Amino acid sequence: DADVTQTPRNRITKTGKRIMLECSQTKGHDRMYWYRQDPGLGLRLIYYSFDVKDINKGEISDGYSVSRQAQAKFSLSLESAIPNQTALYFCATGDGPGGYTFGSGTRLTVV
Amino acid sequence: GESVGLHLPTLSVQEGDNSIINCAYSNSASDYFIWYKQESGKGPQFIIDIRSNMDKRQGQRVTVLLNKTVKHLSLQIAATQPGDSAVYFCAENMGDSNYQLIWGAGTKLIIKP
Repeated sequence: DADVTQTPRNRITKTGKRIMLECSQTKGHDRMYWYRQDPGLGLRLIYYSFDVKDINKGEISDGYSVSRQAQAKFSLSLESAIPNQTALYFCATGDGPGGYTFGSGTRLTVV
Repeated sequence: GESVGLHLPTLSVQEGDNSIINCAYSNSASDYFIWYKQESGKGPQFIIDIRSNMDKRQGQRVTVLLNKTVKHLSLQIAATQPGDSAVYFCAENMGDSNYQLIWGAGTKLIIKP
């Protein structure tokens, strides 16, 4: 099994719909991250969590919310999806300054 | 704001040659630098890292060089193979307890047969 598992791998949704992306990790790390990647661009941080009781906004949190259900689970929600949220979404975990382990990503298309 | 950027968006290299991917950073307070490899359809994968108190670090077929004077970072891949085809990202960390990374836009490495 992968260290970081993201579901679904692909999703097409309609504008205005609520959608949740899920992430689970088996690394035992406290820190988890959600990133967004757009074509030709680097990764941008949406939200991050240092432990179950600690949630922090990243660079582009508007339009997104998260829930840290357990040490191993960190979900990302789009309350009302819009087309410019079409992107590749990555979950990551890490316990140090940068050696993150990433999931395989969720490709989200909002039509 | 502070940013990490790459000099070339695409790099084509003959199989067997060495590859050099460059990265410029602007935050002199950055303490830690990382290179990631992202293959098509996959998440970024950690390759190698270097702290600001070092100027060179070697791994298996890869070497990272850090020049703090000109705020430049490079990744050298020896004897490039088809499996090295990917997008390579550099990222920097401020070295504070938040461990947040600032990412560059990436360089696509293409291997010519």
